[in-house]
Amino acid sequence: QKEVEQDPGPLSVPEGAIVSLNCTYSNSAFQYFMWYRQYSRKGPELLMYTYSSGNKEDGRFTAQVDKSSKYISLFIRDSQPSDSATYLCAMVQGGSEKLVFGKGTKLTVNP
Amino acid sequence: GAVVSQHPSRVICKSGTSVKIECRSLDFQATTMFWYRQFPKQSLMLMATSNEGSKATYEQGVEKDKFLINHASLTLSTLTVTSAHPEDSSFYICAEPRGAMYEEKLFFGSGTQLSVL
Repeated sequence: QKEVEQDPGPLSVPEGAIVSLNCTYSNSAFQYFMWYRQYSRKGPELLMYTYSSGNKEDGRFTAQVDKSSKYISLFIRDSQPSDSATYLCAMVQGGSEKLVFGKGTKLTVNP
Repeated sequence: GAVVSQHPSRVICKSGTSVKIECRSLDFQATTMFWYRQFPKQSLMLMATSNEGSKATYEQGVEKDKFLINHASLTLSTLTVTSAHPEDSSFYICAEPRGAMYEEKLFFGSGTQLSVL
């Protein structure tokens, strides 16, 4: 079993839809959870960062962490064509520098 | 604006040649730089961690003699793919940690697409 599992998609939605992206993981020692957005052939950029369980909201984006289920989610409200990108989840153990990434989910928001 | 400048963005080379990729830290003294590799539809995989003034730390399975890392100054880290072969074709990205929490403040370069013919 891989440490981090993420459905690669692709996922295609109409503009304005609510998007749900998810990752599961197997390592219970992960404490920090991140979502990165990566446009085609560019470096990823940090979208959301969450420590331990709970929700975090930033504008149209909401990140959720459920450590009991080893499951994290990113919700995008009122999705826009500019949200079209690959979204990677990443996580790391406390005190470690080594992020473990999911494969990424390719999202297309159609106008 | 960009925090980490990575060059070149794309390289096409013949098998057996060496390719150097540079990452420059802008407006910051970077003592550490992470180097990742990303194959199509695969996860970003950490290859090595470069440390200014000391030897790089390589992840298991990464050939030290093939992927030479140099971090001679606080603003420049380089990755040299020596004697490149087609199987080395991939997207290489550097990432610089900033701030007290490495996990929170990781800034990526724009990546280098290497194609070995």
